[in-house]
Amino acid sequence: DQQVKQNSPSLSVQEGRISILNCDYTNSMFDYFLWYKKYPAEGPTFLISISSIKDKNEDGRFTVFLNKSAKHLSLHIVPSQPGDSAVYFCAARGTLGDGGADGLTFGKGTHLIIQP
Amino acid sequence: KAGVTQTPRYLIKTRGQQVTLSCSPISGHRSVSWYQQTPGQGLQFLFEYFSETQRNKGNFPGRFSGRQFSNSRSEMNVSTLELGDSALYLCASSPVSGNQPQHFGDGTRLSIL
Repeated sequence: DQQVKQNSPSLSVQEGRISILNCDYTNSMFDYFLWYKKYPAEGPTFLISISSIKDKNEDGRFTVFLNKSAKHLSLHIVPSQPGDSAVYFCAARGTLGDGGADGLTFGKGTHLIIQP
Repeated sequence: KAGVTQTPRYLIKTRGQQVTLSCSPISGHRSVSWYQQTPGQGLQFLFEYFSETQRNKGNFPGRFSGRQFSNSRSEMNVSTLELGDSALYLCASSPVSGNQPQHFGDGTRLSIL
């Protein structure tokens, strides 16, 4: 059973426009969420994260929104640039009883294509 | 600052053999996690080590094991290799075990013949 779902396998956006990538989760114990970007033949690169005590976090062109009641998060990229073309993974983790964190649970990824 | 380094980058083994993969975390990072990526299952958590102790473990058989050394470097071992173990194995490090971003290496591509 997938606990983190990215329902769009691919997304095409024009350069300069906003890219919105979506992610849904089912495990209410998740309290920390991350977005990663991955190019072929490279490991995932950390983009931005958000704790469950917040509903928004911004870093330059990247903003992550968290809607806990809907168990939904989204990544907004404004403006989209050609170098943003990559696979984007949503990930989540929960806190263990000893205060440490569980391993990351990943979605299957969304392939973002920025059209010139 | 050097990133996470994984060696080797590519490896070919046959069924029944065993393999050891190595990971050097970012300097100062004490937590190391391992993940398996396959086309069918995506990225799946294997285990995490912190201060030479396994902190938690994903849902993988006992053939998958790991360890961490006093310098935080980590190794992952897979025994009695099966065809289904063909995957990209990724290592990630963070300063401590907790809600902090994990930073990934470029992985070891393991192919089982």
